[in-house]
Amino acid sequence: GAVVSQHPSRVICKSGTSVKIECRSLDFQATTMFWYRQFPKKSLMLMATSNEGSKATYEQGVEKDKFLINHASLTLSTLTVTSAHPEDSSFYICSARPLNRDTEAFFGQGTRLTVV
Amino acid sequence: GQQVMQIPQYQHVQEGEDFTTYCNSSTTLSNIQWYKQRPGGHPVFLIQLVKSGEVKKQKRLTFQFGEAKKNSSLHITATQTTDVGTYFCAGPHNAGNMLTFGGGTRLMVKP
Repeated sequence: GAVVSQHPSRVICKSGTSVKIECRSLDFQATTMFWYRQFPKKSLMLMATSNEGSKATYEQGVEKDKFLINHASLTLSTLTVTSAHPEDSSFYICSARPLNRDTEAFFGQGTRLTVV
Repeated sequence: GQQVMQIPQYQHVQEGEDFTTYCNSSTTLSNIQWYKQRPGGHPVFLIQLVKSGEVKKQKRLTFQFGEAKKNSSLHITATQTTDVGTYFCAGPHNAGNMLTFGGGTRLMVKP
């Protein structure tokens, strides 16, 4: 079945540094990918929709300059958390759905970010 | 905008008891999907329902899509500790490839 790979699975960084998270669709193409943030024991909060070859669409309240999204190809989207602060610590998950198929969403394994 | 709500938010059950989570959409859905997220894991697709009134079963799990295609339920018979996790429903967004997820129901099972 379709697979979405997310890397890294876990990262610890210092305040003020930037962290890049990659999301790859391994066996299908995705013109859109979705980035979610999930707080402990809480639901998935959609942050933004990553659009291949164009600007990402951010949800209300999500700072686009803080969370930079790049979708350079049909199989890769990246989320960069810039100038990270401890309050950015969270679980970030990407997902994608194959083109032209009314199918389920496939999720990456998630990235647990801890900013110290 | 489109909203998908789930109740309850949390549910503690004794092993062997039944469990049901309910999903309600503010708009009619072309289909509804259910996902399970184990603690520490990522959401994994369980099933998709498409037809009005559709009922599907997966072993002890029974999924139902309402006649008006605005609500759905997931029922687990005789829960086991392996059922622990958060169950999400999701419906297609009004436009594009996005899914709108419900808030999830976190199931905890006491052995």
